[in-house]
Amino acid sequence: SQTIHQWPATLVQPVGSPLSLECTVEGTSNPNLYWYRQAAGRGLQLLFYSVGIGQISSEVPQNLSASRPQDRQFILSSKKLLLSDSGFYLCAWSASGTGGYEQYFGPGTRLTVT
Amino acid sequence: GESVGLHLPTLSVQEGDNSIINCAYSNSASDYFIWYKQESGKGPQFIIDIRSNMDKRQGQRVTVLLNKTVKHLSLQIAATQPGDSAVYFCAEASGYSTLTFGKGTMLLVSP
Repeated sequence: SQTIHQWPATLVQPVGSPLSLECTVEGTSNPNLYWYRQAAGRGLQLLFYSVGIGQISSEVPQNLSASRPQDRQFILSSKKLLLSDSGFYLCAWSASGTGGYEQYFGPGTRLTVT
Repeated sequence: GESVGLHLPTLSVQEGDNSIINCAYSNSASDYFIWYKQESGKGPQFIIDIRSNMDKRQGQRVTVLLNKTVKHLSLQIAATQPGDSAVYFCAEASGYSTLTFGKGTMLLVSP
């Protein structure tokens, strides 16, 4: 069966510090991968998605970036965090190809920028 | 851009009641709809989905209804239990596999 992992689970970082969140998927090949951010009491905002290694699409301009160095690894980064970067970050995957809209989410990372 | 939205931000029900959570969408080209349940501090969990060529789909204790005429989607939960308390999101998709999520409805179930 497929599983998706995210770490760390929680993170407290000062403003201006760098960020690296990691997401890995097991049990599937060539998945579509997604990064979302969720503010407290709000819906999900799609940040990035990837349909293959090295292929990243950005949905919202910001000081965050994403990379996909391996087929089942997706990384969210920032060189300098802002207070507004605080939130709940979710990674998700979906099957590649046609007909597979369903996305499966990881447990999330709670980021607090102080 | 077009978006998906929810009518009720909070729904409070008694245990054993049936719950109905509503969602309006504006993109007439959407061909896939999905409901997620998100418990506090966790990632969203898939509940049920429906394609635009269907009006109704049933799962275990849940039913999704799609009314394309008025662009309305609903999630019905039968015999609601305290464990059903969570935020419920609808989402729509068309074209590529990117979902557009609604704002969410909080379901509170009292014992």
